[in-house]
Amino acid sequence: QSVLIQPPSASGTPGQRVTISCSGSSSNIRRNTVNWYQQIPGTAPKLLIYNSHRRLSGVPDRFSASKSDTSASLAISGLQSDDESDFYCAAWDDSLNSYVFGTGTKVTVL
Amino acid sequence: QVHLVQSGAEVKMPGASVRVSCKASGFTFTNFDFNWVRQAPGQGLEWMGRMHPENGDTVYAQRFQGRVTMTRNTSTSTAYMELRSLRSEDTAVYFCARVCSSVTCWGGLDLWGQGTTVAVSS
Repeated sequence: QSVLIQPPSASGTPGQRVTISCSGSSSNIRRNTVNWYQQIPGTAPKLLIYNSHRRLSGVPDRFSASKSDTSASLAISGLQSDDESDFYCAAWDDSLNSYVFGTGTKVTVL
Repeated sequence: QVHLVQSGAEVKMPGASVRVSCKASGFTFTNFDFNWVRQAPGQGLEWMGRMHPENGDTVYAQRFQGRVTMTRNTSTSTAYMELRSLRSEDTAVYFCARVCSSVTCWGGLDLWGQGTTVAVSS
């Protein structure tokens, strides 16, 4: 149902790098900036990345993000156990006139 | 400190309506747009709409058009979301979230309420 598609899961061992993709279209990611949110189940999401690649103040530089054409990605380097959570991309969609969230990716630290 | 505090959990019968409140503190309520986002059990985030408190302007997601109303009380710095004709599929946690208007987080939802659980069951 969501117009932003993410892999359902990603995993890595402590210290590894994990990348999460977010596939959209010309009406959302190509035209507008992407935000990334982290959510620990049972709690409210937290904004990590805004303007497609800018970290919110206080977010470790282990988190980085980029956007290209109709796709975006979030990378987590130096994976830590407390990175285990769900991650969502989001962007405004001009065709739907709506803010759309990605399908979500559960990150597991092995 | 800046906070968004939401109203408590609700249990509703199918066909009923629910109104969830979101009280802002620590910042100027009318300077920010507010979004409502819901999350069904075990599911992802779903945007419902947004409201601009200064003039009450709203934008609703198409799937909720005609069933949702977002309002505000500027004197109490409180945003409200009412959802009508509830069905079991509306069982979810409902969040309010502030839209950042500064260059340090522009356009992101930078402040969230704690969430309100709405259960729809006969």
